Amino acid sequence: SQTIHQWPATLVQPVGSPLSLECTVEGTSNPNLYWYRQAAGRGLQLLFYSVGIGQISSEVPQNLSASRPQDRQFILSSKKLLLSDSGFYLCAWSIVAGEKNIQYFGAGTRLSVL
Amino acid sequence: AQSVTQLGSHVSVSEGALVLLRCNYSSSVPPYLFWYVQYPNQGLQLLLKYTSAATLVKGINGFEAEFKKSETSFHLTKPSAHMSDAAEYFCAVSFPGGYQKVTFGIGTKLQVIP
Repeated sequence: SQTIHQWPATLVQPVGSPLSLECTVEGTSNPNLYWYRQAAGRGLQLLFYSVGIGQISSEVPQNLSASRPQDRQFILSSKKLLLSDSGFYLCAWSIVAGEKNIQYFGAGTRLSVL
Repeated sequence: AQSVTQLGSHVSVSEGALVLLRCNYSSSVPPYLFWYVQYPNQGLQLLLKYTSAATLVKGINGFEAEFKKSETSFHLTKPSAHMSDAAEYFCAVSFPGGYQKVTFGIGTKLQVIP
């Protein structure tokens, strides 16, 4: 069966520090991968998606970047964190063909920028 | 462009009462529709999905939703609320093709009162 792992679960970082959040998927090949941010009362905002290794699309301009160095690895990064980067970050994957666009989510990372 | 509107960011029901969470969608093509549930500090879990088969869809934990094209609605219901149903619920819309972008509503927090 397929599983998705996100780490760390919680992170407290000072303003101006770098960020690296990692997400890996097991049990499937060539998945579509997604990074979302969830802020209180604002639902889920899609940040990045990837349809293959090295292929990254950004949905909104921001202080963050994403990379996909391996088929089942998706990394969210920042060189210098801002206070506004605080939130709950969720990684998700979907099968490229079939299953009607169902996305499967990781447990999330709670990021607090102080 | 596709969108979803969830009416009511907070809903309170008594234990044993009917749960009704409202979702209306906008889509220029026949949509796929989803309900996800999120427990505190966890990722999103798929409750149920509509993908152009039966209009009444049954999901996990006793929830069901009915696709009504004429009303562009996909409301989530459960006949009798349990304390364990307290969570945040997200309605989402997608459509066939493309890279499988899924658009989420802002979420409805369900409180169950004993």
